Amino acid sequence: QQQVKQSPQSLIVQKGGISIINCAYENTAFDYFPWYQQFPGKGPALLIAIRPDVSEKKEGRFTISFNKSAKQFSLHIMDSQPGDSATYFCAARGWNTDKLIFGTGTRLQVFP
Amino acid sequence: ETGVTQSPTHLIKTRGQQVTLRCSSQSGHNTVSWYQQALGQGPQFIFQYYREEENGRGNFPPRFSGLQFPNYSSELNVNALELDDSALYLCASSSRSTGDNEQFFGPGTRLTVL
Repeated sequence: QQQVKQSPQSLIVQKGGISIINCAYENTAFDYFPWYQQFPGKGPALLIAIRPDVSEKKEGRFTISFNKSAKQFSLHIMDSQPGDSATYFCAARGWNTDKLIFGTGTRLQVFP
Repeated sequence: ETGVTQSPTHLIKTRGQQVTLRCSSQSGHNTVSWYQQALGQGPQFIFQYYREEENGRGNFPPRFSGLQFPNYSSELNVNALELDDSALYLCASSSRSTGDNEQFFGPGTRLTVL
């Protein structure tokens, strides 16, 4: 019940295309869902986060879509760029804890 | 504003040894969390420190221990190192007094156990 399942494991997208990464969770006590971007040799960097009281949040080219009833959320990267090539992790956190539960990661490659 | 810093960057130890990793939290942050990230995996929560006390622990044995100092910096200590302890160890700082309590990660310490 503590797991966050992430797919796909890897993704190849052409420059200018849309990258979509999906996550699913079981624990209904989760109330905060961040996405992190990690480049090789670096720590994860917070990209965007959402709470379950909204269905969508957009920041620049990055959008989170959230489906509370299906217990699923996804990251959409519009107009993908080669500089977006990195590993992306979804995560979840309960209302009474700071412990982040991470997905297994998606390696995104954007080709020119 | 200074971000989260960790030292050392890389470390090589042999099985059975002990190691200490260090973390300086971002300015204004009072909470430090430690995560272990094995190769090709997502980070796994080890524990968190708030007000110099452990405040939440993941599924890690007692040989993983830590400290938080009055300036909010922190140490992770691992005793009796095992081969499976080889991983990237990440420190994240946050502030319980602001917003969503977002966690900001340092660059990590790469530990190799031979």
